[in-house]
Amino acid sequence: IAGITQAPTSQILAAGRRMTLRCTQDMRHNAMYWYRQDLGLGLRLIHYSNTAGTTGKGEVPDGYSVSRANTDDFPLTLASAVPSQTSVYFCASSEDSLRGNEQFFGPGTRLTVL
Amino acid sequence: AQSVTQPDIHITVSEGASLELRCNYSYGATPYLFWYVQSPGQGLQLLLKYFSGDTLVQGIKGFEAEFKRSQSSFNLRKPSVHWSDAAEYFCAVARGSTLGRLYFGRGTQLTVWP
Repeated sequence: IAGITQAPTSQILAAGRRMTLRCTQDMRHNAMYWYRQDLGLGLRLIHYSNTAGTTGKGEVPDGYSVSRANTDDFPLTLASAVPSQTSVYFCASSEDSLRGNEQFFGPGTRLTVL
Repeated sequence: AQSVTQPDIHITVSEGASLELRCNYSYGATPYLFWYVQSPGQGLQLLLKYFSGDTLVQGIKGFEAEFKRSQSSFNLRKPSVHWSDAAEYFCAVARGSTLGRLYFGRGTQLTVWP
């Protein structure tokens, strides 16, 4: 069982380019999340999805979009990357979003926008 | 508004010494409280969580945490630190109607001297 996989592991991207970070989980969890981690700021929620077909905005959603076409996949898209989006991005999932269940995290994607 | 405060950015302890990492939260009702650990280059792993009941909770790797409502705190402790405990530690809360969404502190980096 892989848990949560993220791709790519790392990426260097020119400003203005479009980029999709991929996230797949095999635990059949209903809820999924995207966080960005920046030094000294901890993790901040970008977008979340309580169940397939629904998404919501977190603390720092600007410049990002997500979709949840099925239970397993939750891609994060940067439509036009900017240097301030340089960060480490973590995808997470939990059994559901109602009871504060444990969130399981992927290994992260390190993104550099030049 | 910051929901979670970790006052110590960096802590250094000697191997075998005791450890206490501080976490304070700001929320009127009792939140759901978590401690996560992140080893270098890795995703986050849950150490322990508190929802209700006994205010002293035991976690993995010999860690424990105590919920103190009067102090709005959820400090993480370990009686004897091992070199492998060197990592970054994050306190997180889930609250109210958004129980599935975690709000993280900024993290405490733990260095362990041999």
